Amino acid sequence: QKEVEQNSGPLSVPEGAIASLNCTYSDRGSQSFFWYRQYSGKSPELIMSIYSNGDKEDGRFTAQLNKASQYVSLLIRDSQPSDSATYLCAVSEYGGSQGNLIFGKGTKLSVKP
Amino acid sequence: DTAVSQTPKYLVTQMGNDKSIKCEQNLGHDTMYWYKQDSKKFLKIMFSYNNKELIINETVPNRFSPKSPDKAHLNLHINSLELGDSAVYFCASSQDIGGYTFGSGTRLTVV
Repeated sequence: QKEVEQNSGPLSVPEGAIASLNCTYSDRGSQSFFWYRQYSGKSPELIMSIYSNGDKEDGRFTAQLNKASQYVSLLIRDSQPSDSATYLCAVSEYGGSQGNLIFGKGTKLSVKP
Repeated sequence: DTAVSQTPKYLVTQMGNDKSIKCEQNLGHDTMYWYKQDSKKFLKIMFSYNNKELIINETVPNRFSPKSPDKAHLNLHINSLELGDSAVYFCASSQDIGGYTFGSGTRLTVV
């Protein structure tokens, strides 16, 4: 069974620090990788996608992918209290529109002022 | 104008009842999904529907049935509700993989 593993946390960081969220996946054939943010009582929202090895930066967010190690991470620089949420890692075996996303159980991030 | 809308937002019902949750997307996406999020916040795929092709997660009880009258709608019908069905149900749509847009969720409570 395909699995996506995340440390459930909570991960607590001070405001302004770098938050590092990690995720591993079991299916070596996975091609597409995503990070979603979910505030309490709200729906998940896509914040990053990454498809090839290396780093991808978008504002304060950097996604890192290492397919050989089956590892994907999300770095949040200059963390703000508004970043406090649960971060969901999601993986798909397909690069097109056919596949379903397999989600990890999420890491709860708390940014302390 | 909401991209993916679900109704109702809250649903409280008794065991054994039959209920439906409606989902509509106005994004023109080809694929729609139903996910279940349990009390531990774990999101699990239930169904995906693409161009009239239904893909069912084999772990979903057959009391759950998706119904799609057209590309913009994917409703979820649940028969003989059980206590363990209590969860938040999310509808989502996508055009390309990963571009999921989620609805606001339906919190189902079975008493």
